[in-house]
Amino acid sequence: NAGVTQTPKFRILKIGQSMTLQCTQDMNHNYMYWYRQDPGMGLKLIYYSVGAGITDKGEVPNGYNVSRSTTEDFPLRLELAAPSQTSVYFCASSRDSSNQPQHFGDGTRLSIL
Amino acid sequence: AQSVAQPEDQVNVAEGNPLTVKCTYSVSGNPYLFWYVQYPNRGLQFLLKYITGDNLVKGSYGFEAEFNKSQTSFHLKKPSALVSDSALYFCAVRPSSGSARQLTFGSGTQLTVLP
Repeated sequence: NAGVTQTPKFRILKIGQSMTLQCTQDMNHNYMYWYRQDPGMGLKLIYYSVGAGITDKGEVPNGYNVSRSTTEDFPLRLELAAPSQTSVYFCASSRDSSNQPQHFGDGTRLSIL
Repeated sequence: AQSVAQPEDQVNVAEGNPLTVKCTYSVSGNPYLFWYVQYPNRGLQFLLKYITGDNLVKGSYGFEAEFNKSQTSFHLKKPSALVSDSALYFCAVRPSSGSARQLTFGSGTQLTVLP
């Protein structure tokens, strides 16, 4: 059971570079989420999607973009990397918007130097 | 605005002793409450949830949590701690009338079980 798969696991970027964090799930979940985790800060929602073709901003969307062309994939794009974007990024999915728990990938550790 | 407080950054307990990880919350209306656990270099894993009904909720790996509406708390407990329980624990809340995007996480509590 793959669940939620994130690639890459680690990445170092230079300021101003761009990259895409990949996320795919095989549970046929409609809802998908991107969070960032900073030490002592819990998780903050960046973007979320309620289905293919539908995305919306979360709490901290600035500097990021997303797309959802299929149910399975939800990539996160950083266009102009900044040191403030150094963080651990988690993708999650859930069946719907009710009381179901979210399922998380193992994260992408990103450093911007 | 809703919020979650985990007042202890670090909890240490001896193996075999009971453990408690504290969580208090603030939300409009009735809450949905969740506990997640995170092991090093891994994503969060769901432990248990409170939706409605019995205030004592049982979850994975022998963990349980007690919902206390008057104290707005949802403390995580286990009768006998294992060294393998050492991990980072997150409490999360969202309003029952809201959507999953409104899930708010606490800052986490690092649990260390000493052999």
